[in-house]
Amino acid sequence: GENVEQHPSTLSVQEGDSAVIKCTYSDSASNYFPWYKQELGKGPQLIIDIRSNVGEKKDQRIAVTLNKTAKHFSLHITETQPEDSAVYFCAASNQVAYKYIFGTGTRLKVLA
Amino acid sequence: GAGVSQSPSNKVTEKGKDVELRCDPISGHTALYWYRQSLGQGLEFLIYFQGNSAPDKSGLPSDRFSAERTGGSVSTLTIQRTQQEDSAVYLCASSFAGTQYFGPGTRLLVL
Repeated sequence: GENVEQHPSTLSVQEGDSAVIKCTYSDSASNYFPWYKQELGKGPQLIIDIRSNVGEKKDQRIAVTLNKTAKHFSLHITETQPEDSAVYFCAASNQVAYKYIFGTGTRLKVLA
Repeated sequence: GAGVSQSPSNKVTEKGKDVELRCDPISGHTALYWYRQSLGQGLEFLIYFQGNSAPDKSGLPSDRFSAERTGGSVSTLTIQRTQQEDSAVYLCASSFAGTQYFGPGTRLLVL
């Protein structure tokens, strides 16, 4: 069946450094790729998303890149801050259909 | 409110009791999803609604789980005869144009 693999499962970086989280999807019909941040005790919050007609999208310190040929997309966080510490989930969806397939999550820890 | 809301935020129940979890989606969002998240784990899809219909119930773990949606808005997830393994966070999300927005979740603890 369809799946999304997410790596790494945990990531520790020093404050100010960059963090990169990678996801690979299996369904070639996927055309929408959101990223969610989940803080302790809260629901996932959408932080950035990308559609299949673009290769990169940036929003301040956060960027997402997409390689449709390789079925691979990544989240890049620059100049990390302690408040970036959270669990991050990627997802892949075919927006014609309804189903999201989520990655297993990456626990990011930014060390002050 | 502007976001998805869920109630209760926390629920402690005894094994064998029934529980009802409520989700109020963002106004105008036609699609609604329920997920389950066990401690430290990812998101397990339970059920999807388009309007009041549930075209995909394949994620419901057993026949003790059911959900309904009325008026194209509020949804209720019911768990009958709760078991300890039902303890988890139950997340609701509503969607418009393919983008999902999550509520804060209901933390269920079955003793």
